[in-house]
Amino acid sequence: DAGITQSPRHKVTETGTPVTLRCHQTENHRYMYWYRQDPGHGLRLIHYSYGVKDTDKGEVSDGYSVSRSKTEDFLLTLESATSSQTSVYFCAISDPSVGAANEQFFGPGTRLTVL
Amino acid sequence: GQQVMQIPQYQHVQEGEDFTTYCNSSTTLSNIQWYKQRPGGHPVFLIQLVKSGEVKKQKRLTFQFGEAKKNSSLHITATQTTDVGTYFCAGPTDSSYKLIFGSGTRLLVRP
Repeated sequence: DAGITQSPRHKVTETGTPVTLRCHQTENHRYMYWYRQDPGHGLRLIHYSYGVKDTDKGEVSDGYSVSRSKTEDFLLTLESATSSQTSVYFCAISDPSVGAANEQFFGPGTRLTVL
Repeated sequence: GQQVMQIPQYQHVQEGEDFTTYCNSSTTLSNIQWYKQRPGGHPVFLIQLVKSGEVKKQKRLTFQFGEAKKNSSLHITATQTTDVGTYFCAGPTDSSYKLIFGSGTRLLVRP
């Protein structure tokens, strides 16, 4: 498996509280992504980064912000968590110079519950 | 907007039976990727198809890319309990490094 870690792995929080999830890679891959996974919806892109300080929105970005101050770290912040943000969050990385398919490598996931 | 759909959502088979999942895109794709996610795990890349009509095999798994490059399929011959998991197809969006994933097909295998 690619060197990707996510922290925390599990979190329970209350509605209205801020939450930050961290993705850390040791692969020096250029692109990083945050997805959420919900039953029946597959993986939906929240935000992605194409370089340090370069980020953009995905298809379900409302209520989320991201930051990437270093190549290896990509942070996802829920400014004020809501119950609809209860989900499993996956970080992924990719780099066109690695492999023939520019495939994405996923972290182990963070299970977030908002009460 | 661009959509990628997969059917069926679930498939429950007896060990030894075959299994097929189908992926359909609303737009023509330059390539299509397949991923497998074991229960409780994370998605893992299986393969990429690029050419129209391409067929690739990995042991008991056969992947096809349609002639119009808008659909794809994954066929597993003689399923085993190790095949259990959710299979996702994914295609590039407006950028080659962004993917849109299908909703996945969850495969359950009865021993």
